[in-house]
Amino acid sequence: DTEVTQTPKHLVMGMTNKKSLKCEQHMGHRAMYWYKQKAKKPPELMFVYSYEKLSINESVPSRFSPECPNSSLLNLHLHALQPEDSALYLCASSQEDSSNYGYTFGSGTRLTVV
Amino acid sequence: AQKVTQAQTEISVVEKEDVTLDCVYETRDTTYYLFWYKQPPSGELVFLIRRNSFDEQNEISGRYSWNFQKSTSSFNFTITASQVVDSAVYFCALSEARYSSASKIIFGSGTRLSIRP
Repeated sequence: DTEVTQTPKHLVMGMTNKKSLKCEQHMGHRAMYWYKQKAKKPPELMFVYSYEKLSINESVPSRFSPECPNSSLLNLHLHALQPEDSALYLCASSQEDSSNYGYTFGSGTRLTVV
Repeated sequence: AQKVTQAQTEISVVEKEDVTLDCVYETRDTTYYLFWYKQPPSGELVFLIRRNSFDEQNEISGRYSWNFQKSTSSFNFTITASQVVDSAVYFCALSEARYSSASKIIFGSGTRLSIRP
């Protein structure tokens, strides 16, 4: 299995809703990442988990809450989002020696906040 | 600080033409990695190539080729005999070499490539 699977593929949520994005990989990768990508922009790093521990938080607002329950799963919990948070959210994973070998990306979740 | 510049915002060519996407990078590290990713309309970022800073050999993979020149800090990507399926946004990216805990990849702003039939 050489894939990163993200669910759901599309999500529409209101500003008072609570929702979660899920990411799963079975490649034995020990680093997992959340990226946010606005239209016509490059991906921007949000969080990095290394060996199931949060190692990088790029000053992301607390309405985004990451969780890594085990080495194969990564969640992003969403609460009280704003319309400007609408974007493509990409999950990625990499081998334990970090980004030297590049990332394997999922196909993303297209989030719309209304 | 690390930086990746893709000066070409959009390129449009007719099918079967050759096209080169430019990438210029900045880093103070002597050891680093460069990447190209393709992002089709479906959204997934597809890994194309990885090159480390000590390997300046050019690489060819089918219709794709890459020209890495440390002297000019460039890592350009050429598609030969382009096809409509090559239409996508292409990102050049840079990573410093790290061997403990996860680090991050810095992406350029991307070049949107359109291949017209």
